[in-house]
Amino acid sequence: AQKITQTQPGMFVQEKEAVTLDCTYDTSDPSYGLFWYKQPSSGEMIFLIYQGSYDQQNATEGRYSLNFQKARKSANLVISASQLGDSAMYFCAMRERSGAGSYQLTFGKGTKLSVIP
Amino acid sequence: NAGVMQNPRHLVRRRGQEARLRCSPMKGHSHVYWYRQLPEEGLKFMVYLQKENIIDESGMPKERFSAEFPKEGPSILRIQQVVRGDSAAYFCASSPPGGNLAKNIQYFGAGTRLSVL
Repeated sequence: AQKITQTQPGMFVQEKEAVTLDCTYDTSDPSYGLFWYKQPSSGEMIFLIYQGSYDQQNATEGRYSLNFQKARKSANLVISASQLGDSAMYFCAMRERSGAGSYQLTFGKGTKLSVIP
Repeated sequence: NAGVMQNPRHLVRRRGQEARLRCSPMKGHSHVYWYRQLPEEGLKFMVYLQKENIIDESGMPKERFSAEFPKEGPSILRIQQVVRGDSAAYFCASSPPGGNLAKNIQYFGAGTRLSVL
């Protein structure tokens, strides 16, 4: 079963509008972390935002916010006031403790966001 | 304050040759993760290392792949006798020691794009 599901292979948004990128996850570990990364066409992976499973409030970082709905196991990324530079692949990832004691990330397949002028 | 440094950015090898990918973590970071990204896919965990120790290699192919993180110098991911299926982007991430490992952010390098001819 997929641990991280991103159901939108591609999304379009008008410049200056807000956009929501969906992410659902599956885990039985009560302690986990959820992350969003941005990968522009140049290829690097840029950390955007983090939400811990025990955090009471939704995470925010500038124009990025994370709509965390624990009961639904969803962690959607909201980008407000989209800019042309936001055009990129966006990956949702989850960290949970592995049997070997590490905290590797499990990634979704990504959503390609295109911002239209 | 340099980020995670990976080199080379691009590497071309012929089938049967060896590929050596290097990763210098961020200053003060002692945890290194390697991930592989196939075209149109999210990143997949390969191995987690601390200085001089492999902690979790559950994502590494059993043959031809090895990783090390010596006391001095960068972490190395080594692929022997490369095949076309090894063509991918290889990313290294680092995180700081101590504290709550579940909360530590993994910061990524720009990746090494390996092409096998």
